[in-house]
Amino acid sequence: GENVEQHPSTLSVQEGDSAVIKCTYSDSASNYFPWYKQELGKRPQLIIDIRSNVGEKKDQRIAVTLNKTAKHFSLHITETQPEDSAVYFCAANDYKLSFGAGTTVTVRA
Amino acid sequence: DGGITQSPKYLFRKEGQNVTLSCEQNLNHDAMYWYRQDPGQGLRLIYYSQIVNDFQKGDIAEGYSVSREKKESFPLTVTSAQKNPTAFYLCASKIGTANTEAFFGQGTRLTVV
Repeated sequence: GENVEQHPSTLSVQEGDSAVIKCTYSDSASNYFPWYKQELGKRPQLIIDIRSNVGEKKDQRIAVTLNKTAKHFSLHITETQPEDSAVYFCAANDYKLSFGAGTTVTVRA
Repeated sequence: DGGITQSPKYLFRKEGQNVTLSCEQNLNHDAMYWYRQDPGQGLRLIYYSQIVNDFQKGDIAEGYSVSREKKESFPLTVTSAQKNPTAFYLCASKIGTANTEAFFGQGTRLTVV
């Protein structure tokens, strides 16, 4: 089955700096890679996703890159703001949706 | 109001009792999932169902059971065989098993005393 590893587990950045979270996956059949943001006490919500036929996708301050050969994908948040503080999860989808362990991001004012 | 609803939000049970968590969706989604969330361990898949009357074990199915008798409902039973049932449980649904967004319920926090 799919195994998704996510690093780092915690990330503290100064407001305005960039944050990068990296994930690797094991199943070459996976073809969809979403990223979810979970604020304290709330449900995870999709912030961006990428499909296997695309190498990069950007949505305002958030971007995701995918390297299918190396089986890794990354989330980039630029110009971080206090409201970006949350837990971020990467996931990989073959016939089921498997998640990484999460990254707790803290943006320092 | 469309969406996916879990109930109750908080649940307390005595050790040794079975308990059933509810998950209902009116999004007409075929696939439904149950995850367990523990601090530092992310979302671990318990069971998933791709279609009515069919479901498969996920990575940590031991001590849990599910049913999928209706498309909109996917209840999870935490049995007395689950050694450490205290956790936050999340249900999710999506259109199919392929490249589509999964929507989550608000979760149920189960505490076994």
